[in-house]
Amino acid sequence: GQQLNQSPQSMFIQEGEDVSMNCTSSSIFNTWLWYKQDPGEGPVLLIALYKAGELTSNGRLTAQFGITRKDSFLNISASIPSDVGIYFCAGQLRGSGGSNYKLTFGKGTLLTVNP
Amino acid sequence: ETGVTQSPTHLIKTRGQQVTLRCSSQSGHNTVSWYQQALGQGPQFIFQYYREEKNGRGNFPPRFSGLQFPNYSSELNVNALELDDSALYLCASSSRGLDGYTFGSGTRLTVV
Repeated sequence: GQQLNQSPQSMFIQEGEDVSMNCTSSSIFNTWLWYKQDPGEGPVLLIALYKAGELTSNGRLTAQFGITRKDSFLNISASIPSDVGIYFCAGQLRGSGGSNYKLTFGKGTLLTVNP
Repeated sequence: ETGVTQSPTHLIKTRGQQVTLRCSSQSGHNTVSWYQQALGQGPQFIFQYYREEKNGRGNFPPRFSGLQFPNYSSELNVNALELDDSALYLCASSSRGLDGYTFGSGTRLTVV
């Protein structure tokens, strides 16, 4: 099945550093979502983006919906040990009338934070 | 408000057997989606149900089937299990037209 191109595949950083990861697609989406998955758990929604060019923050997390609607990035500022996990981007093409439809995920970015 | 619950959490089956996985959606959610997550990969969409009707299907063979019940809980059935079916199966619920999906913790299926 289709997966989005997410990079980097993994990152090893020191506590306090900033992190940036991005996601690209060959097709257009009208919604971009960023999830975090901890071991043994399902993905948890971090940020949702609904409009091209939109920049949204959630605490230390900031994400942007690319102007072409084919990409998105996620920044984490001042990383802490609990940021460790796998981060996934997901694109969605919502139908008219607000119908929810499938999410297409990237392969994930594994983030390791050294204290 | 309870989240999405899935059962069982872990399961081991033999190739050729059949399996049923269960999902209780979050209170107030009427849409359930199932995803397969192989090791080291992102989740792959299997299908979605909205108010007991199938509302989209991914690139999975007919061996993968499902149901949604009047209380919006759901089942995923997989027949004639193959070794490649070994994966984490995730259920996600949402309320049509509202933000995002809430995922369960998944069922880890191992086919031997």
